[in-house]
Amino acid sequence: AAGVIQSPRHLIKEKRETATLKCYPIPRHDTVYWYQQGPGQDPQFLISFYEKMQSDKGSIPDRFSAQQFSDYHSELNMSSLELGDSALYFCASRGREARDEQFFGPGTRLTVL
Amino acid sequence: AQKVTQAQTEISVVEKEDVTLDCVYETRDTTYYLFWYKQPPSGELVFLIRRNSFDEQNEISGRYSWNFQKSTSSFNFTITASQVVDSAVYFCALSEARGATNKLIFGTGTLLAVQP
Repeated sequence: AAGVIQSPRHLIKEKRETATLKCYPIPRHDTVYWYQQGPGQDPQFLISFYEKMQSDKGSIPDRFSAQQFSDYHSELNMSSLELGDSALYFCASRGREARDEQFFGPGTRLTVL
Repeated sequence: AQKVTQAQTEISVVEKEDVTLDCVYETRDTTYYLFWYKQPPSGELVFLIRRNSFDEQNEISGRYSWNFQKSTSSFNFTITASQVVDSAVYFCALSEARGATNKLIFGTGTLLAVQP
């Protein structure tokens, strides 16, 4: 069965650089979530999209932005990177038929030097 | 506000021991979902179970079992005859059942170390 795809899996950036993380949801899933997990922390909700519209916003810094495209994939754009942005970023998708069950991607590990 | 508490930060057991991971939640919603996820050292989040707030039946899946008690707002997870491969961080999570997003609120996780 198809799973959530995230790319890249690993990313190393310097401070003040920008990064773009991509998420490809399971086919026919219309809702995408982004979570950030810092070292030794639990995943924290950042933002979500339903049918290409932002549906909820959590503790996402103003330096970050995201969108969902017409093919339902989503991108998380991060600018002016800081050391504290180093984390595992998860994308999850949910479909209409399986309400409340989110399927997580493998995550993108971002390291900011 | 919704909150999930996992008071056990780390648990260490010897292989074949039984172990219970505690989870206590807070929510004002009458309808909600509870989840357990496993995060092995490789980092991915592995879905284990989802429980609807209206379904208080306990569930068993192989060596795993879950005890949902609405009266005490707890959703505990027991591993029977633990194995080294069970070593991981386990997260309990909560989401509202009605709403636009159903985002997950995670507990802080319990690190389980199973020694051979």
